[in-house]
Amino acid sequence: EAGVVQSPRYKIIEKKQPVAFWCNPISGHNTLYWYLQNLGQGPELLIRYENEEAVDDSQLPKDRFSAERLKGVDSTLKIQPAELGDSAVYLCASSPGGSGRAKSYNEQFFGPGTRLTVL
Amino acid sequence: ILNVEQSPQSLHVQEGDSTNFTCSFPSSNFYALHWYRWETAKSPEALFVMTLNGDEKKKGRISATLNTKEGYSYLYIKGSQPEDSATYLCAFNNFNKFYFGSGTKLNVKP
Repeated sequence: EAGVVQSPRYKIIEKKQPVAFWCNPISGHNTLYWYLQNLGQGPELLIRYENEEAVDDSQLPKDRFSAERLKGVDSTLKIQPAELGDSAVYLCASSPGGSGRAKSYNEQFFGPGTRLTVL
Repeated sequence: ILNVEQSPQSLHVQEGDSTNFTCSFPSSNFYALHWYRWETAKSPEALFVMTLNGDEKKKGRISATLNTKEGYSYLYIKGSQPEDSATYLCAFNNFNKFYFGSGTKLNVKP
């Protein structure tokens, strides 16, 4: 079974440039997460999708960040324009989803992340 | 935002040493606690999902315990090996929203 795929793995851009990250979750996984991980800290949720619906985007800086998951499969996260403080690792994860209490125990499967450097 | 804390921040041990780290989380409205292992340049890998107070899980030389009443989980590594070097993350699962600690970075010297 293929894991979560992310691209690119590394990206270096200058500030004020746009950048986009792509994630293809594990086949059949309904829930998709985008996380931001700063050096020395744990991942922080940016947005969570249930199929194509964004069910939690409360921590997504909407003035410059946007995300989409049009067909409920792969997803794109965009930053425009990028700032110096956006340098971090952007992780994508997916889980099977489901209903009831079992949904709370769903394991997340992570991609390798995209390391963004903004100069 | 829920507060999840891990200690220590980093740990250096010799090959063969046993070690343990702590994850502290809110003790009210507990759902699940997850442990992950994250090696540099790789994807975080799931180790355990802990759901019940008193849970003990084991995978090879790695084991974990859970105390939901006091809000902590311990991860133990018996006889550390250099390949155990990684960052160990815990995450508090609240209705499928995960709150991560900042991790414990383990370095095992041969």
